[in-house]
Amino acid sequence: DARVTQTPRHKVTEMGQEVTMRCQPILGHNTVFWYRQTMMQGLELLAYFRNRAPLDDSGMPKDRFSAEMPDATLATLKIQPSEPRDSAVYFCASGLVLKQSGETQYFGPGTRLLVL
Amino acid sequence: SQQGEEDPQALSIQEGENATMNCSYKTSINNLQWYRQNSGRGLVHLILIRSNEREKHSGRLRVTLDTSKKSSSLLITASRAADTASYFCATALDTGRRALTFGSGTRLQVQP
Repeated sequence: DARVTQTPRHKVTEMGQEVTMRCQPILGHNTVFWYRQTMMQGLELLAYFRNRAPLDDSGMPKDRFSAEMPDATLATLKIQPSEPRDSAVYFCASGLVLKQSGETQYFGPGTRLLVL
Repeated sequence: SQQGEEDPQALSIQEGENATMNCSYKTSINNLQWYRQNSGRGLVHLILIRSNEREKHSGRLRVTLDTSKKSSSLLITASRAADTASYFCATALDTGRRALTFGSGTRLQVQP
């Protein structure tokens, strides 16, 4: 039963600390997405990779957030330095894009981040 | 602003009743998808409808798409308590960009 995995599931940290979230997409998927969900803003796209190349990170605060895919089995989202307003649930999703078709996105369970 | 906006924001019904949720969007799309999110969990894909399709069924789910009105509806028939969740519509633009833009969601409560 293939699924997207995310670690850690929960993270509590202090303001100013570095936070790294990891995601293992479903094997064979060629797109990876990072979303952030808060009560106020809902689901926001932060970054989007296809075949490990970043296609869109316009939703990400560039000064403190960075997203990478060091290999096809690992995507990372890093916040440095973290701030209380970064508290949210961060979801990773993966999908398989085929030409001219839409893809279903498969979501991980999320990382619940609390920055004190 | 959100590409997709769901209506109503919250819906409470009795088990066995039908639940209808609506979604409106602003720009041309390649496809529209509906997702469900149980409390504290990730989103689960329910159904995808392409811009050249008007209606699609999957089990107790029925989705319609009206591209002239830029709107979609999700109908859950014979609802169950287990259907209690938030439901989101998400649109993929018709520009080759495949990232989804999610609406704000409808919170459905099915009373047993």
